Amino acid sequence: SYVLTQPPSVSVAPGKTARITCGGNNIGSKSVHWYQQKPGQAPVLVIYYDSDRPSGIPERFSGSNSGNTATLTISRVEAGDEADYYCQVWDSSSDHPVVFGGGTKLTVL
Amino acid sequence: EVQLVQSGAEVKKPGESLKISCKGSGYSFTSYWIGWVRQMPGKGLEWMGIIYPGDSDTRYSPSFQGQVTISADKSISTAYLQWSSLKASDTAMYYCARLISTSDSGEFDYWGQGTLVTVSS
Repeated sequence: SYVLTQPPSVSVAPGKTARITCGGNNIGSKSVHWYQQKPGQAPVLVIYYDSDRPSGIPERFSGSNSGNTATLTISRVEAGDEADYYCQVWDSSSDHPVVFGGGTKLTVL
Repeated sequence: EVQLVQSGAEVKKPGESLKISCKGSGYSFTSYWIGWVRQMPGKGLEWMGIIYPGDSDTRYSPSFQGQVTISADKSISTAYLQWSSLKASDTAMYYCARLISTSDSGEFDYWGQGTLVTVSS
């Protein structure tokens, strides 16, 4: 089955840029979606189809996907961005199509 | 406004059965897949399965096949997740979420608030 690999943690100072990666075999051929989960809350979709933002998500959130790595980029990081972030793909070649990455804890220093 | 409202927290004993629910509103319930996602304490998101309420087509993650049953009652726009015999290791938060799917992709755009299931003797 398809496997997505994320770093367990990323730290960034306020105002700087955070980059969270999601690795997978030829992930560039798939659409990647990203979720933000703050403590005690349900996940929220922040990026879909690699780089599209749902309504209400700040422009500071962006995404890219190429080769074996997808990246969620958060510019001008704020304290309120501190959360767990999960990538997800749809493996259309499988009967079990939903795959989540292990999650990355973003800490704002 | 799209909403998914889940049933309340449950405390059960090992071996007991349980059925939790997820009621959709604000959209055509029969036109979108609903997924269930487990989150064990302090851990990540795990996909359990999805159901298409329009025809009850259901897919399970191999990790959960045979361990749970996913169903839906389209007449009341509600999806269910049930266990016949709970184990302590089923203690977790369970989320339902609406799946937007095409032939080559799918993402969860709306999520329920979660149902905390605690299994303890």
